[in-house]
Amino acid sequence: EVQLVESGGGLVQPGGSLRLSCAASGLTFSTYAMSWVRQAPGKGLEWVSAISGSGTNTYYGASVRGRFTISRDNSRSTLYLQMNGLRAEDTALYYCATETSRMDFDSWGQGTLVTVSS
Amino acid sequence: DIVLTQSPDSLAVSLGERATINCKSSQSVFHSSYNKNSLSWYQLKPGQPPKLLIHWASTRESGVPDRFSGSGSGTDFTLTISSLQAEDVAVYYCHQYYSTHTFGQGTKLEI
Repeated sequence: EVQLVESGGGLVQPGGSLRLSCAASGLTFSTYAMSWVRQAPGKGLEWVSAISGSGTNTYYGASVRGRFTISRDNSRSTLYLQMNGLRAEDTALYYCATETSRMDFDSWGQGTLVTVSS
Repeated sequence: DIVLTQSPDSLAVSLGERATINCKSSQSVFHSSYNKNSLSWYQLKPGQPPKLLIHWASTRESGVPDRFSGSGSGTDFTLTISSLQAEDVAVYYCHQYYSTHTFGQGTKLEI
């Protein structure tokens, strides 16, 4: 069974930085593209960023491009999201998810909460 | 970017009745390489992560009850729950994976 466990969320001031982690188990991690998806309080789902299995290719949503960096360590089966220049509108529950070969999301973690506030 | 617009925003249906949720895409998500539509549906309940219900617009995920069905092609898609059960109360999202990723705004389904 695939298990994804996010960590690293917390309270941060506007302009600050945070690094999220997603530890994966139950799968051959390096063969899966991965994504971060977030849900702001009272809002819908928003795709944030994706990375190929090898880590060579990365993709970002317009709202985070230039501020967030996705990466992975396949030797540790761990996905990361480095978030810089955080804004109040980045406040959300951040999920990591595995991408199927179709490119939709079939396994999700429970999420880690990021709150950007002074 | 592809925009997905769901309708309605919220829906109240009696137990045992049919629920229908629509998703309209700003451009076609038909993937000619696969001869399929790159559109999925997810169910989101409070305190739980999203659950993939339907992929390729009409293929049910393993273990999803057959009262859930998806239909449509190109730009117009529908999620139908044929006989609503209490455990189906949730927010439902469509998702296109034709060009990066976007989600619809969600439809809240209540009894």
